[in-house]
Amino acid sequence: QLQLQESGSGLVKPSQTLSLTCTVSGGSVSSGDHSWSWIRQPPGKGLEWIGYVYQSGYTNYNPSLKSRVTISLDRSKNQFSLRLTSVTAADTAVYYCARGAGTYWGQGTLVTVSS
Amino acid sequence: QSALTQPASMSGSPGQSITISCTGTSSDIGGFDYVFWYQQHPGKAPKLVIYEVNNRPSGVSNRFSGSKSGNTASLTISGLQSEDEADYHCSSYSSSSTLWVFGGGTKLTVL
Repeated sequence: QLQLQESGSGLVKPSQTLSLTCTVSGGSVSSGDHSWSWIRQPPGKGLEWIGYVYQSGYTNYNPSLKSRVTISLDRSKNQFSLRLTSVTAADTAVYYCARGAGTYWGQGTLVTVSS
Repeated sequence: QSALTQPASMSGSPGQSITISCTGTSSDIGGFDYVFWYQQHPGKAPKLVIYEVNNRPSGVSNRFSGSKSGNTASLTISGLQSEDEADYHCSSYSSSSTLWVFGGGTKLTVL
């Protein structure tokens, strides 16, 4: 059974960079034609797709975040990562990693942007 | 503001059927059979209950079904049970952004 687990800093200061990693177990980020996604959910609000990376390294980002987002794949560690620069309070959310269009999800991690 | 439109809340009694709608455009729901539905209980990650309009993942109850007509997709839950009380989110592939877009979510209350 594929499992995903987010890790990273839960508190980030405004204007700094948010960094999260998703570790995949029970399967490989390099196998199949799957995309690996980051999705977030601000407190009390709906879901927002941040972007995804394919095992080929191809990426696609939400246009509203594109200038600040980087998603990358580390095949040796079976992980993929999210970097979001110049964060503000509006970036406070639970961040989820997922495979494809959400066949499998991590449990989510709350990231708070505050000084 | 979400790209797809869902009712903010709905309610039903145990045993009843309920249908949640998700309205988009010809650039997303209307143009592709890539509509997904997720169930999310409080404090939990979303769980896929319908993929590609009307397919159920293994292990999902057959009380959940999906359909699409034009630019609107629907999730029907039959024989409502208390455990169905949750938030439901729809998503679709969008050619406008070549990315997935979500609805705002529907809070389902089982009375």
